[in-house]
Amino acid sequence: EPEVTQTPSHQVTQMGQEVILRCVPISNHLYFYWYRQILGQKVEFLVSFYNNEISEKSEIFDDQFSVERPDGSNFTLKIRSTKLEDSAMYFCASSDYRLASETQYFGPGTRLLVL
Amino acid sequence: GQQVMQIPQYQHVQEGEDFTTYCNSSTTLSNIQWYKQRPGGHPVFLIQLVKSGEVKKQKRLTFQFGEAKKNSSLHITATQTTDVGTYFCPNAGGTSYGKLTFGQGTILTVHP
Repeated sequence: EPEVTQTPSHQVTQMGQEVILRCVPISNHLYFYWYRQILGQKVEFLVSFYNNEISEKSEIFDDQFSVERPDGSNFTLKIRSTKLEDSAMYFCASSDYRLASETQYFGPGTRLLVL
Repeated sequence: GQQVMQIPQYQHVQEGEDFTTYCNSSTTLSNIQWYKQRPGGHPVFLIQLVKSGEVKKQKRLTFQFGEAKKNSSLHITATQTTDVGTYFCPNAGGTSYGKLTFGQGTILTVHP
C-alpha cells in the first residue's frame, strides 16, 4: 500500500540554525500538508500546498517557514532560523487530487529538537 | 466557523469493556472523518462518513453519523490493548483545500 515517507526521522539542531524536513507524498496525490505536534499537545495545521503554491497557512507559519516542491516527488518544509519552541513532531500529509476533503495520509513524522 | 467538540477527553477501560467517543458539531457537517493516533505515532485515517444516519463497521469498530449530520460516534466493542491511542474527529476546514483542525481527541487507555 502506498505511504507517505519522511526524512529524517529525528533531527537535533542548534537554535538559529536552518533545518529542512523532507517528505515524499503518495505519488498520485496533488494536495500536500504540513502539521506539527508539540509534545503532549494536539496536532496543529501549518500549511497546505497545491499546484505549486501555498493554498492556506496558519498563524504559526510565519516568515521563518517555507515550503517547496523541488521536483516531482519531494515536498519540503524549511525553517530558516530555528527557535526552541519549534521543537515538535512535524507530520507531512497528502491527499487525493480529486477532492481535497478526502482522506489525508500522514507520514511517520520528523521529531525536531532545537537546543 | 464550524466547531466540533469531542467527549470524553479521557477514557480508561478494562480490556474487554466497550468504549464510545462522541463528536458534536454546532453546524451541519458535509462529512466526518475519524483518525487514530497511537502513542508516539502519527494520525491514521480510520473512516469517512458522508450520508445522514450512516453506520459503518470495521471489525469491532462501529461508526455512526447522526441524522442531522451534526454528531458522530465511534464505538469499540470488547476493547483490546491494541486499541490504545487517541481518537480524533478533525474538523475539515470547509475550504476546498481540506485543512484538518484537530482537537484534543479522546485518549483511550486499556488495562489488561
